[in-house]
Amino acid sequence: AQSVTQLDSHVSVSEGTPVLLRCNYSSSYSPSLFWYVQHPNKGLQLLLKYTSAATLVKGINGFEAEFKKSETSFHLTKPSAHMSDAAEYFCVVSDTGGATNKLIFGTGTLLAVQP
Amino acid sequence: GAVVSQHPSWVICKSGTSVKIECRSLDFQATTMFWYRQFPKQSLMLMATSNEGSKATYEQGVEKDKFLINHASLTLSTLTVTSAHPEDSSFYICSARSGLAGGIRSLTDTQYFGPGTRLTVL
Repeated sequence: AQSVTQLDSHVSVSEGTPVLLRCNYSSSYSPSLFWYVQHPNKGLQLLLKYTSAATLVKGINGFEAEFKKSETSFHLTKPSAHMSDAAEYFCVVSDTGGATNKLIFGTGTLLAVQP
Repeated sequence: GAVVSQHPSWVICKSGTSVKIECRSLDFQATTMFWYRQFPKQSLMLMATSNEGSKATYEQGVEKDKFLINHASLTLSTLTVTSAHPEDSSFYICSARSGLAGGIRSLTDTQYFGPGTRLTVL
């Protein structure tokens, strides 16, 4: 069965400093991995996705993530945080071996950006 | 880009009544739509998967007679919460995935999420 573990429920950074949101996955198949962001009272927006192509994936708004099979990790990073990055971030795994490609969500990491 | 809408964005109803939530894919055809619920400060939990023209597949623990799902067209799925109770109060989110391309399912299919519907049952 597929699962994801987001290691930090809350992360706080200062504006202009790097962001690291950690995610580890478990999958029986070659996984597709995603990061979604959810701003308060808004829907989820796809930041980036990994689907067995390049292991370093670049997304929107300056975010990127690196797929490391040996570490079963897919951590999300950004060199310099902006106030508008404050939101909830979800690491998600999809079962690409199944017929429905269900998404399994992590528990989320709330990112706070201090001025 | 792909846009998914939900209506209503919020609804308040009395206990025992039924509420219908609509999910529409605005600029693409969605052969598969998914319904999730999200409790405060928690993650999204998949409730059911619905394929156009067929019965929805419910996740374990989700009552199919309470959460009625209809996916009658390639751009519309509805979730009806029947005989709603306060414990059904939650944030309901749908997502839609585009269909097959040339008969081959792309492994990079992405789910596009609606903005969610906040249901409060008094």
